[in-house]
Amino acid sequence: KNEVEQSPQNLTAQEGEFITINCSYSVGISALHWLQQHPGGGIVSLFMLSSGKKKHGRLIATINIQEKHSSLHITASHPRDSAVYICAVRTGNQFYFGTGTSLTVIP
Amino acid sequence: SAVISQKPSRDICQRGTSLTIQCQVDSQVTMMFWYRQQPGQSLTLIATANQGSEATYESGFVIDKFPISRPNLTFSTLTVSNMSPEDSSIYLCSVDGPGELFFGEGSRLTVL
Repeated sequence: KNEVEQSPQNLTAQEGEFITINCSYSVGISALHWLQQHPGGGIVSLFMLSSGKKKHGRLIATINIQEKHSSLHITASHPRDSAVYICAVRTGNQFYFGTGTSLTVIP
Repeated sequence: SAVISQKPSRDICQRGTSLTIQCQVDSQVTMMFWYRQQPGQSLTLIATANQGSEATYESGFVIDKFPISRPNLTFSTLTVSNMSPEDSSIYLCSVDGPGELFFGEGSRLTVL
């Protein structure tokens, strides 16, 4: 059983579409991170959430602590958004990672 | 924020050889984390490296296979020893900053 589950596993969208990626977790957490991994392997941190909602440009992340669920939204998607998006949760000094959602945005 | 320089970015290695991956951070950090990401899989923590003490290994990972050095607060190395094709993965170092996780660019190893 994985502590962090993401859906969908793969996602293909047309440029301009609104995209939602979901993350559910089963452990008590102090924070949840959304990460972006590019084809070369490097990982960039997008958001850290402990409650509520955050917005950065076209990206929006929300978290519901009671339901142990978070969503990452991308508005007006663009081909450069194509990447793997990873949800990670922190409990104490330990991190648990989802398997990632592979997003492809087609022009 | 922290910038992590990791190298090599990729390498193709022969079975039975060893490869050392280096990570340099542009600021002093207490803990550095080493992860493995096998094809199509999530990140798996190999070990946590603290300066001045032995690294702490996760279940399934041992020091003989993945020796780690942490000579100072800005640098660490991970060696993948006696490699086999099953070691083909992306290896990443990471540090934990306030409000953010920082990762190196990753080292993509292919073992033939």
